[in-house]
Amino acid sequence: DVKVTQSSRYLVKRTGEKVFLECVQDMDHENMFWYRQDPGLGLRLIYFSYDVKMKEKGDIPEGYSVSREKKERFSLILESASTNQTSMYLCASSPDRSNQPQHFGDGTRLSIL
Amino acid sequence: QKEVEQDPGPLSVPEGAIVSLNCTYSNSAFQYFMWYRQYSRKGPELLMYTYSSGNKEDGRFTAQVDKSSKYISLFIRDSQPSDSATYLCAMIVGFKTIFGAGTRLFVKA
Repeated sequence: DVKVTQSSRYLVKRTGEKVFLECVQDMDHENMFWYRQDPGLGLRLIYFSYDVKMKEKGDIPEGYSVSREKKERFSLILESASTNQTSMYLCASSPDRSNQPQHFGDGTRLSIL
Repeated sequence: QKEVEQDPGPLSVPEGAIVSLNCTYSNSAFQYFMWYRQYSRKGPELLMYTYSSGNKEDGRFTAQVDKSSKYISLFIRDSQPSDSATYLCAMIVGFKTIFGAGTRLFVKA
C-alpha cells in the first residue's frame, strides 16, 4: 500500500512565523502535491512537483513556497504565516504516468493565531 | 461553471439503505474517474478508479460512469454507520486532477 506521511497532525503557530510542513512518501512516486482544504471550497492545489528540485505553481501559490531536495520528501513553507492560512493541508503523491490517481496523507490541521 | 459539480449534502440515510452519490462534469476530455472517501480529520482515501463507461463493482461499492451524459455515480449497498464520511469524486485528464467539493454522508444506526 502507498504510504504518505505528514509530519504533524495538528500545528499551532503565530502570525508572522515561518512554518514548515513536511511530507514523505514511500512508493518512489515522481509526482507530489500540496493542497489546502477549506469548508465550502474543497481541495485547492498550492504547488506540485514532478521531479526532484522541480516545482510548479498550482492555483493558489501566493504566500507559500516548496522544497523538494529528495524524491520521497516534499516540504511546504509558509514564509510569513497569516490567519487566512489557517486550514487543513494535504499532501499527495502519484507515479510518473499520466492518468494515475493520487494518494493522500492524513493531513496537517494548521491554526495561525 | 465549475468543471466538476457535486452536491455537498448532507445526505442522511438509515442503516441498510442503498446510497447514491453523484457528480456531473463539463469537460469531455476527462477519461479517468475516481471516488475518494474522507473520514473526519483524515486524508482522502482512494475507493474506486475507473476509466470506461459502465459499472465497476468492489464489494458493497459500485462506480458507474456515463460519458455520454457526463455523469458519474457511486452506489453503496447495505450502508453501515462506518460509511459515514465525505465522498469526493475526482477526474483526470493527462496529469491534471479535478476534485468535486465532496458530499457528506451520515448513516444512522
